[in-house]
Amino acid sequence: GENVEQHPSTLSVQEGDSAVIKCTYSDSASNYFPWYKQELGKRPQLIIDIRSNVGEKKDQRIAVTLNKTAKHFSLHITETQPEDSAVYFCAALKGGLSAAGNKLTFGGGTRVLVKP
Amino acid sequence: ETGVTQSPTHLIKTRGQQVTLRCSSQSGHNTVSWYQQALGQGPQFIFQYYREEENGRGNFPPRFSGLQFPNYSSELNVNALELDDSALYLCASSLTGELFFGEGSRLTVL
Repeated sequence: GENVEQHPSTLSVQEGDSAVIKCTYSDSASNYFPWYKQELGKRPQLIIDIRSNVGEKKDQRIAVTLNKTAKHFSLHITETQPEDSAVYFCAALKGGLSAAGNKLTFGGGTRVLVKP
Repeated sequence: ETGVTQSPTHLIKTRGQQVTLRCSSQSGHNTVSWYQQALGQGPQFIFQYYREEENGRGNFPPRFSGLQFPNYSSELNVNALELDDSALYLCASSLTGELFFGEGSRLTVL
C-alpha cells in the first residue's frame, strides 16, 4: 500500500521567515496530495492541495510543489506568523477524489512553531 | 464551520468494553470515512461508507465495524477495546472528493 514519509517532525522558525515541509510517497499511482493544518484539539483543516497534473500551486503565503518523477511534494509557507503555529500533515490519494474506496494516507506530521 | 458533527467528544472506557461513536455528515454528503489518530501521529484510515455500503477498509481488525444510515450519518463500533485503541477518532464526509473532518471523538481506554 501507499506509504508517506514527512520531514521534519518539528520545525521552529522566526516570525517572518519561511517554512518548508517535505513529503515523499511510495505509490506512483497516487494523484492527489492535500495538506492539512491541525491546531491543538481541533480537526484537520485542508489548507491547500495539488493534483498530479500540476507542478505547483500557490494560495497567498502558502505554496505546494510536486515532483512526480521523484515522488515528493513540499509545502512552503512564506512570511510566517505566530498563527501559523500548528501541526501540518501531508497526505496522498490514488484513484482520484471521487474514486470508490479512496483513502488518504497521511504523513506523520510536522509541528511548526513560529517564534515572535 | 464544516457541518460534520461527532459525538461524544470525549469518553473513557475500560479494556474489553465496547464503544459506539457517531457522526453526522455535512448536508448532502453521501460518503463518510473514519480515521484513527493516535497521539502525535497522522490519521490512519479505518474504513469508508458510500450509500450505506462499506466501500474500502484499512488495516484494522474486524472488531472495528461501522454502519451508514439512509440519512448518511454513520457509526463506528469497536468491540473488545484494547489500550492501544486510545486515540482521536475522526469522521470525514465528502460528496465530490474533498474531505471535511469533524472535531473528533477522543477515546481513552484504561
